[in-house]
Amino acid sequence: KQEVTQIPAALSVPEGENLVLNCSFTDSAIYNLQWFRQDPGKGLTSLLLIQSSQREQTSGRLNASLDKSSGRSTLYIAASQPGDSATYLCAVGLSNTGNQFYFGTGTSLTVIP
Amino acid sequence: EPEVTQTPSHQVTQMGQEVILRCVPISNHLYFYWYRQILGQKVEFLVSFYNNEISEKSEIFDDQFSVERPDGSNFTLKIRSTKLEDSAMYFCASSGRPSSGYTFGSGTRLTVV
Repeated sequence: KQEVTQIPAALSVPEGENLVLNCSFTDSAIYNLQWFRQDPGKGLTSLLLIQSSQREQTSGRLNASLDKSSGRSTLYIAASQPGDSATYLCAVGLSNTGNQFYFGTGTSLTVIP
Repeated sequence: EPEVTQTPSHQVTQMGQEVILRCVPISNHLYFYWYRQILGQKVEFLVSFYNNEISEKSEIFDDQFSVERPDGSNFTLKIRSTKLEDSAMYFCASSGRPSSGYTFGSGTRLTVV
């Protein structure tokens, strides 16, 4: 069974700092990996999707990388802002048949003005 | 940008009552999912639905749960006889194809009293 872990569980940084969130998964035979943002009591907003054949994806100040062989992905946030405060979740998909994503435990990020 | 719409946003029900959670997936999507998140815990997979049938379900998705796509636009989750432990945020998601990742709705907070 796929286990997805995110480290750290919580992170507090001053505004403007660059930061890295980590995601690790136990089964490297993944199909794709998706990073989400979740605001308190709200739904999941997709940030970046990486296919298993890709090494990284970028969107604005966000960059996600994938190292399938080592079972790791990182989400890099440049020049953090207070509006980036949220919980960040990674989720891995194992197959091309559209079945379940396995979610990580999440990293709660606070950016201090 | 196309959205997944969920109603209601919050539902309170008495233990033992039936509830139906409703979702309108993105119109040209083919894969549909329900997930839940108990407060403070991971997002957990419940069920995936494709081509008018369940393609995968988790251990959580027992005989008390059912899904339906009654009219080609709605996708519903029914819990037949709710228990206190069913209290959670329920998320609907849809996908055009497995490689395109998920789009999530904003969730229905179910409170069983």
